[in-house]
Amino acid sequence: QSVLTQPPSVSEAPRQRVSISCSGSSSNIGDNAVNWYQQLPGKAPKLLIYYDDQLPSGVSDRFAGSKSGTSASLAISGLQSEDEADYYCATWDDSLNVWVFGGGTKLTVL
Amino acid sequence: EVQLVESGGGLVQPGGSLRLSCAASGFTFSSYWMHWVRQAPGKGLVWVSRIISDGSSTSYADSVKGRFIISRDNAKNTLYLQMNSLRAEDTAVYYCARENSGTYYDAFDIWGQGTMVTVSS
Repeated sequence: QSVLTQPPSVSEAPRQRVSISCSGSSSNIGDNAVNWYQQLPGKAPKLLIYYDDQLPSGVSDRFAGSKSGTSASLAISGLQSEDEADYYCATWDDSLNVWVFGGGTKLTVL
Repeated sequence: EVQLVESGGGLVQPGGSLRLSCAASGFTFSSYWMHWVRQAPGKGLVWVSRIISDGSSTSYADSVKGRFIISRDNAKNTLYLQMNSLRAEDTAVYYCARENSGTYYDAFDIWGQGTMVTVSS
């Protein structure tokens, strides 16, 4: 059972928009920045969003992050087949003193 | 090119030991905190351990505390994970990752390709 809660899967058609939620608590998301990682099938994770809503260099602006209170969200617009991947949220937990990841969300582009 | 390359994975019996290595290149290794993150087959990412830049402080997930030891050799640009008293539930792909406290506000911005550890008799 992950400290951060994500939906196991989401799906949407090409060119549409999808959102992935990440729910936590005051000791993690409520007090620390959230990062998002994309893991393509068979590959290592890749930093997608940092500090809640910032895009690393080279990441498409079709990806957007947001945070409100103890929840964060990743939005992907203009869906493409190559966006099919697992997406993970992550942050530091002040109570546990560890980095925590969400359980991951598998995105299927229909 | 900024790169992390893990090695040392393999098949080990329960109760056995294994040492993973992570070779860094393309950046000043000694300036960065480093982490190990693992992923059991078909499962999600789980943080394992962290070491600060000069190696003087470490932290561990409860699941590995007392069994795993993270260390680094800044002269060799290499991160290590000594894994002792291995259990079946330690079976996973182990990734090393760089924490970037400057540009990316502590996010893990560089990841290795991973090395598979299988604990089985």
